[in-house]
Amino acid sequence: GAVVSQHPSRVICKSGTSVKIECRSLDFQATTMFWYRQFPKQSLMLMATSNEGSKATYEQGVEKDKFLINHASLTLSTLTVTSAHPEDSSFYICSARGGQPGNTIYFGEGSWLTVV
Amino acid sequence: GIQVEQSPPDLILQEGANSTLRCNFSDSVNNLQWFHQNPWGQLINLFYIPSGTNQNGRLSATTVATERYSLLYISSSQTTDSGVYFCAPPRAGSARQLTFGSGTQLTVLP
Repeated sequence: GAVVSQHPSRVICKSGTSVKIECRSLDFQATTMFWYRQFPKQSLMLMATSNEGSKATYEQGVEKDKFLINHASLTLSTLTVTSAHPEDSSFYICSARGGQPGNTIYFGEGSWLTVV
Repeated sequence: GIQVEQSPPDLILQEGANSTLRCNFSDSVNNLQWFHQNPWGQLINLFYIPSGTNQNGRLSATTVATERYSLLYISSSQTTDSGVYFCAPPRAGSARQLTFGSGTQLTVLP
């Protein structure tokens, strides 16, 4: 079945550095992918909608200059956390819908980011 | 936007027991999904259930759209059922963006 792969699964970075998280749809083309953030014991919060070939649509309160999203191909979207701070530490998850209307939404494995 | 409430927030079961998880939503929806997040964070789509009832093995889901709720039934629970269960209707005006409920944390004890 359709699979969405996310990498890295865990990353530790120093404050002030940038870190990139990749989200790939492995066997289908995803014109739209979604990035979520999840704090411990909380629900998923949509950060942005990533559109292939165009700018991402960010949710209210999400800094687009801090969370850079690039969707350069139909199978890859990247989230770059720039100038990371400890408060950016979180679980980041991407998702994509299969290519046909009504298709199931698939989630990546998630990426644990720890900023020290 | 649409408000989604899930109950109970936490549930502890003995292996083999049955349970019902509830999802209430504030507005009419044309679809709703249930997800299971395992202890490692992976989200698995359980049901796409805009209305009616659907069953998959020990799990079944029912959505009564006119009354704005959905139920997830887990029968003969197993320890591998542990994790967080989320319901997620679409955001108003968007068929693709989901609004996640607060989740039900299920722990199944051996």
